[in-house]
Amino acid sequence: DQQVKQNSPSLSVQEGRISILNCDYTNSMFDYFLWYKKYPAEGPTFLISISSIKDKNEDGRFTVFLNKSAKHLSLHIVPSQPGDSAVYFCAAYDLSNSGYALNFGKGTSLLVTP
Amino acid sequence: DSGVTQTPKHLITATGQRVTLRCSPRSGDLSVYWYQQSLDQGLQFLIQYYNGEERAKGNILERFSAQQFPDLHSELNLSSLELGDSALYFCASSGGRSGRNEQFFGPGTRLTVL
Repeated sequence: DQQVKQNSPSLSVQEGRISILNCDYTNSMFDYFLWYKKYPAEGPTFLISISSIKDKNEDGRFTVFLNKSAKHLSLHIVPSQPGDSAVYFCAAYDLSNSGYALNFGKGTSLLVTP
Repeated sequence: DSGVTQTPKHLITATGQRVTLRCSPRSGDLSVYWYQQSLDQGLQFLIQYYNGEERAKGNILERFSAQQFPDLHSELNLSSLELGDSALYFCASSGGRSGRNEQFFGPGTRLTVL
């Protein structure tokens, strides 16, 4: 039962433009959301997070937006750079059911072209 | 470098065998998490330990077990291995009493069962 869904397996964006990665979730008990970036042959690297009491969190070129009513969050990267090319995972905590276990989406592969 | 180390990096073994994967968390982190990433799946939570005690359990098979030692390193034991156990196994750690912080991942152990 996939509670976190990333429906776009891949995304291609030109350097300098905005990358928008989307994530939907089904569990209304999720109260903390995270984005991770993963390069081949490496572990996921924490990127940015957001609590359910907020609707936006910004860190440099990365902004995460949360729409609780739609059970949707998105990651914006502006401007996109070739080094951003990686797989991005959306993840969420379900504290009421499984403690601090992260529920991950299947990832979106981002390619930033020069 | 996340500060989380995992050994070995690669492991090739045969069906029916038993292996042990090792993880050292970031300095000061009390929580250790184990995740499995199979070919078509996102990262699946297996188990969490906090300061030596099991805190949460995911879809971990009975053939799999884990423990966290007094020095906080953790081991994941996989026995009676099957072909379907071939996957990337990631360890993550987080700090603080609540465990509700971002999790930092190690580089993973790639297990191949032949």
